Amino acid sequence: SQTIHQWPATLVQPVGSPLSLECTVEGTSNPNLYWYRQAAGRGLQLLFYSVGIGQISSEVPQNLSASRPQDRQFILSSKKLLLSDSGFYLCAWSGGQASNQPQHFGDGTRLSIL
Amino acid sequence: GDSVTQMEGPVTLSEEAFLTINCTYTATGYPSLFWYVQYPGEGLQLLLKATKADDKGSNKGFEATYRKETTSFHLEKGSVQVSDSAVYFCALSERAAGNKLTFGGGTRVLVKP
Repeated sequence: SQTIHQWPATLVQPVGSPLSLECTVEGTSNPNLYWYRQAAGRGLQLLFYSVGIGQISSEVPQNLSASRPQDRQFILSSKKLLLSDSGFYLCAWSGGQASNQPQHFGDGTRLSIL
Repeated sequence: GDSVTQMEGPVTLSEEAFLTINCTYTATGYPSLFWYVQYPGEGLQLLLKATKADDKGSNKGFEATYRKETTSFHLEKGSVQVSDSAVYFCALSERAAGNKLTFGGGTRVLVKP
């Protein structure tokens, strides 16, 4: 069966520090991968998605970047964090190209910027 | 562009009450529709889905019917439990939009014993 892992679960970082969140998927190949951010008490905002190694699409201009160095690895990064980067970050994967394929989410990383 | 609108919460219910969460959508094509649930401190879990008109998705006592004529996908459960307390998200996916999910804002449900 397929599983998705995100780490760390929680992270507290000072303003201006770098960031690296990692997400890996097991049990499937060539998944579509996604990074979302959920601000406190609000809905989800799609940040990046990837349909293959090295292929990254950005949905909103921001202080973050994403990379996909391997088929089942998706990394969210920042060189200098801002207070507004605080939130709950969720990684997700889906299989195939059909729109009826659901996305499957990791447990999330809660990021607090001080 | 695509959009999903769902009723704002919080919705507070007593145990064994009937739950309805309204969801309507706007899409350029023929989307697939989903309900996700988020329990406190966790990620999202797929609750149910429907991929064509008049399909009914169901899981864990929850149901939602894809109504193309009213562009709606309302979530219902006949008798809620305290363990159903969570945030519920309606979402759509459309091939023309690269199969990306468009989410509603979420509805927080609190079930009291």
